[in-house]
Amino acid sequence: DTEVTQTPKHLVMGMTNKKSLKCEQHMGHRAMYWYKQKAKKPPELMFVYSYEKLSINESVPSRFSPECPNSSLLNLHLHALQPEDSALYLCASSQDPRPGANVLTFGAGSRLTVL
Amino acid sequence: SQQGEEDPQALSIQEGENATMNCSYKTSINNLQWYRQNSGRGLVHLILIRSNEREKHSGRLRVTLDTSKKSSSLLITASRAADTASYFCATATHLNNDMRFGAGTRLTVKP
Repeated sequence: DTEVTQTPKHLVMGMTNKKSLKCEQHMGHRAMYWYKQKAKKPPELMFVYSYEKLSINESVPSRFSPECPNSSLLNLHLHALQPEDSALYLCASSQDPRPGANVLTFGAGSRLTVL
Repeated sequence: SQQGEEDPQALSIQEGENATMNCSYKTSINNLQWYRQNSGRGLVHLILIRSNEREKHSGRLRVTLDTSKKSSSLLITASRAADTASYFCATATHLNNDMRFGAGTRLTVKP
């Protein structure tokens, strides 16, 4: 299995809703990433988990809450989002969490619309 | 905040022509990578060049790296319509395992 699977593919939520994005990989990768991408912009790094521990948080607002229950799963919990949070959310993984050793495998993304 | 700039922002060429995209970055790096993204989908890794390398080839791809100028270029030779996509450079530092992307170049190859 050489894939990163993201669910759901599309999500529409209101500003008062609580929802979660899920990411799964079975390649034995030990680093997992969340990126946010707006239209015609590059992916922006949000969070990095290394060996299931949060290693990088790019000062992301607390309405985004990451969770890494085990080495194969990564969740992004969403609460009280704003319309400007609408974007494509990309999950990625890499085999080796060491600095500079990371070639990323990306999922297809979850497109989020906040009404 | 992301790593750097790419130029051109958009490039339109005919099939069979070569496409060259440039990337500049700001910090000291361990390696630089190029990724491709088809519209609205995930990114796919193309090629990695380490900071002690100057040039690397993979099929129709040629990447150069100039660490003194903090810049890299990606050349796609004999382009095909299927090469139409956005191309991003990404840098990895010696400090941690972050991966930060440049602004990207949107390449259109006309049949």
